[in-house]
Amino acid sequence: DQQVKQNSPSLSVQEGRISILNCDYTNSMFDYFLWYKKYPAEGPTFLISISSIKDKNEDGRFTVFLNKSAKHLSLHIVPSQPGDSAVYFCAASPHTGGFKTIFGAGTRLFVKA
Amino acid sequence: DTGVSQDPRHKITKRGQNVTFRCDPISEHNRLYWYRQTLGQGPEFLTYFQNEAQLEKSRLLSDRFSAERPKGSFSTLEIQRTEQGDSAMYLCASSLLQFEGYTFGSGTRLTVV
Repeated sequence: DQQVKQNSPSLSVQEGRISILNCDYTNSMFDYFLWYKKYPAEGPTFLISISSIKDKNEDGRFTVFLNKSAKHLSLHIVPSQPGDSAVYFCAASPHTGGFKTIFGAGTRLFVKA
Repeated sequence: DTGVSQDPRHKITKRGQNVTFRCDPISEHNRLYWYRQTLGQGPEFLTYFQNEAQLEKSRLLSDRFSAERPKGSFSTLEIQRTEQGDSAMYLCASSLLQFEGYTFGSGTRLTVV
């Protein structure tokens, strides 16, 4: 039962262009959504989050959009840089009960110089 | 504080042997989580602690798995009678009670041969 789905295993983008990573979820109990970034041989690193009371959160080059009615969120990276090349995990959590977080399978982003 | 530390980084063991992993969370974090990640998948929740209390266990955590967090500080994850299917990256994470995302360690990669 995949409660958080990232349907694109990989994405390739030219440096300087926009990267858009997508994520869908099924559980209506989720009210907090996060993106993590992972480099090889390291644990995931928290990148940006959004609460269900918002539809957009921005942090520098990174913006997360949330569409609750569609149960969909996306991460926009503008402009993309070669150092952004990594695996990006979408994650969701209820804001109660210990914040157990459910992760998607990840999207590998390649940013070409 | 140097973040979340996990030891060892790599472990190769023969099938049927017992293994134990250690996690040292960020000192002021009350919550500690164990996740498992296999190739091509996102982290899967195993269990979490609030201080020294283990509050939830996933059905993925069979009877061969046990986790402890004595005194609410470091945590250990033990796998008894290892099987080849236990081969994975075991990730530890910690967070504050006021959730703003996890801080992950670099993980312990277990290979059962």
